[in-house]
Amino acid sequence: AQSVSQHNHHVILSEAASLELGCNYSYGGTVNLFWYVQYPGQHLQLLLKYFSGDPLVKGIKGFEAEFIKSKFSFNLRKPSVQWSDTAEYFCAVISYNTDKLIFGTGTRLQVFP
Amino acid sequence: GAVVSQHPSWVICKSGTSVKIECRSLDFQATTMFWYRQFPKQSLMLMATSNEGSKATYEQGVEKDKFLINHASLTLSTLTVTSAHPEDSSFYICSARELEKEELNFGPGTRLTVT
Repeated sequence: AQSVSQHNHHVILSEAASLELGCNYSYGGTVNLFWYVQYPGQHLQLLLKYFSGDPLVKGIKGFEAEFIKSKFSFNLRKPSVQWSDTAEYFCAVISYNTDKLIFGTGTRLQVFP
Repeated sequence: GAVVSQHPSWVICKSGTSVKIECRSLDFQATTMFWYRQFPKQSLMLMATSNEGSKATYEQGVEKDKFLINHASLTLSTLTVTSAHPEDSSFYICSARELEKEELNFGPGTRLTVT
């Protein structure tokens, strides 16, 4: 079955530490890839997206992600996290075959000052 | 930017009653809307895909007679939870895709509590 998996369920970091959150998908064919963030008590916001072109995508708030097609991965990175990055992060994939946006299980990030 | 609203934002209802949740695209036309369900501290689960003027397509395991979806216009889709039970308590989120665009715009969600 088509799925999106996020390996890190809960990540705890100190401010200024580097962040990498894993995301893998099992779809074949062409996909569009997204990372969303959900701050406590707020609704989903788009961090960044990949449709085509340069596999290294830069998003808002200093986040970036790299699409590695051979590994079916789209990992999220940030070189130096801040306390305000504390949130839930979701990887999501749209397959051209299904035209549905499917979410990963989410990663809870806690950043301590 | 493209804005999606949901109404109500929070509803409490008694077991056995029905609840209607509205999802509106405020400044764009949405041919396709999606309904998701999010349990506390969990991910979003796609419930159904709603296409304007046609029947919704439900995901496996989602009861279409319990979760009625209507997409009557290019700016409005509704989800009606019929004969609600406490296990239906959840956070329901809709998203809308603008014509000829790939991006989805998410609503703020509706928290349903069934007592």
